[in-house]
Amino acid sequence: EAQVTQNPRYLITVTGKKLTVTCSQNMNHEYMSWYRQDPGLGLRQIYYSMNVEVTDKGDVPEGYKVSRKEKRNFPLILESPSPNQTSLYFCASRRVAGTLSTDTQYFGPGTRLTVL
Amino acid sequence: QQQVKQSPQSLIVQKGGISIINCAYENTAFDYFPWYQQFPGKGPALLIAIRPDVSEKKEGRFTISFNKSAKQFSLHIMDSQPGDSATYFCAASIETSGSRLTFGEGTQLTVNP
Repeated sequence: EAQVTQNPRYLITVTGKKLTVTCSQNMNHEYMSWYRQDPGLGLRQIYYSMNVEVTDKGDVPEGYKVSRKEKRNFPLILESPSPNQTSLYFCASRRVAGTLSTDTQYFGPGTRLTVL
Repeated sequence: QQQVKQSPQSLIVQKGGISIINCAYENTAFDYFPWYQQFPGKGPALLIAIRPDVSEKKEGRFTISFNKSAKQFSLHIMDSQPGDSATYFCAASIETSGSRLTFGEGTQLTVNP
């Protein structure tokens, strides 16, 4: 089954304690992205990657890091989480060969993060 | 700066009624306008999308209406069903810029039985 998986699904942590949210896709997609979803703000892009070792900032990259060492994995790293990073996080992937109108972006199930 | 503004924030409709969600955009370079549907505990999933060379696209009970001059587009759900209860997001992108999607704020739709 084609899917994007995220782990953990739920995480409660404390300010300053480094954490990593993993994202993996089994569709051999080149493009991967992280979004955060907040009430009244919709989804905002944090970082994206067009391929292995190629990453770039989205709209709200402050306080986050990513890496793309393998095509299937795109972890999101919060080196020193703060309460304003409490949010629902989604990973997504799609093929790069086509455009958005021809190749759907698939989203993972989400990770709900609470930073106390 | 919200480049895609969506309304209403929440919507309650009776079964069989028509649900209408509106979006307005600022960037005239946007050339692809998808709608995503999100059920509780799930990620968003593409529902229907339109390009600005057409004014309307229909897929089953879902229709997108697009007004290029007004920079607005809307989602119409005909014969709304309780199973349509979900959060709906409009989005926009510039296809030549890659995969960057700009989302609206979201609309929580509740369809009462």
